[in-house]
Amino acid sequence: DVKVTQSSRYLVKRTGEKVFLECVQDMDHENMFWYRQDPGLGLRLIYFSYDVKMKEKGDIPEGYSVSREKKERFSLILESASTNQTSMYLCASSGPEGLADNEQFFGPGTRLTVL
Amino acid sequence: AQTVTQSQPEMSVQEAETVTLSCTYDTSESNYYLFWYKQPPSRQMILVIRQEAYKQQNATENRFSVNFQKAAKSFSLKISDSQLGDTAMYFCAFLGSSNTGKLIFGQGTTLQVKP
Repeated sequence: DVKVTQSSRYLVKRTGEKVFLECVQDMDHENMFWYRQDPGLGLRLIYFSYDVKMKEKGDIPEGYSVSREKKERFSLILESASTNQTSMYLCASSGPEGLADNEQFFGPGTRLTVL
Repeated sequence: AQTVTQSQPEMSVQEAETVTLSCTYDTSESNYYLFWYKQPPSRQMILVIRQEAYKQQNATENRFSVNFQKAAKSFSLKISDSQLGDTAMYFCAFLGSSNTGKLIFGQGTTLQVKP
């Protein structure tokens, strides 16, 4: 079974802190994604990566950056956390590009609170 | 741009009864996939069912089936013989051939199955 893990289930940070959210998948997937989930808004894509060291902005990249130095690991970085970044963050991975291999597998999520 | 709309924020159903969750989408593409994902309380999001636009036959997975109306751009999920374990948030999602593996999610529907 595919396993996607995230470094923390719950995280509390102060405004202005630099925050790292880590995601690891064990299925050698090319694609990895970071979403934030907010009530009434569903999941919104922040960034995604389709290969090592490759990244593309999603729908809401402002205030975030990402890093993918190894295929299995995709990090989301909040350079200077703000209260409006309080949210649930979900990581996902999927196989090669193309519609034929398109199921995304999700991690358990990190609930981040910025005070 | 593609959009996905779930117009029912919350629904409830009695155990053993049938419930239908609605989803509509907008796209100009002819080949795409539609998904229903389930997010149980405090647990990971998992794929429930998938439908390819080119397939006229509605997808079925045990007690879960879809009613895919391509012309109407409608993709509803029917859960038969509802069980307490079906209590979850359900997300409808769209993947187009031009999306580079990126899913577009609806706002979600919270389903409560009552004993």
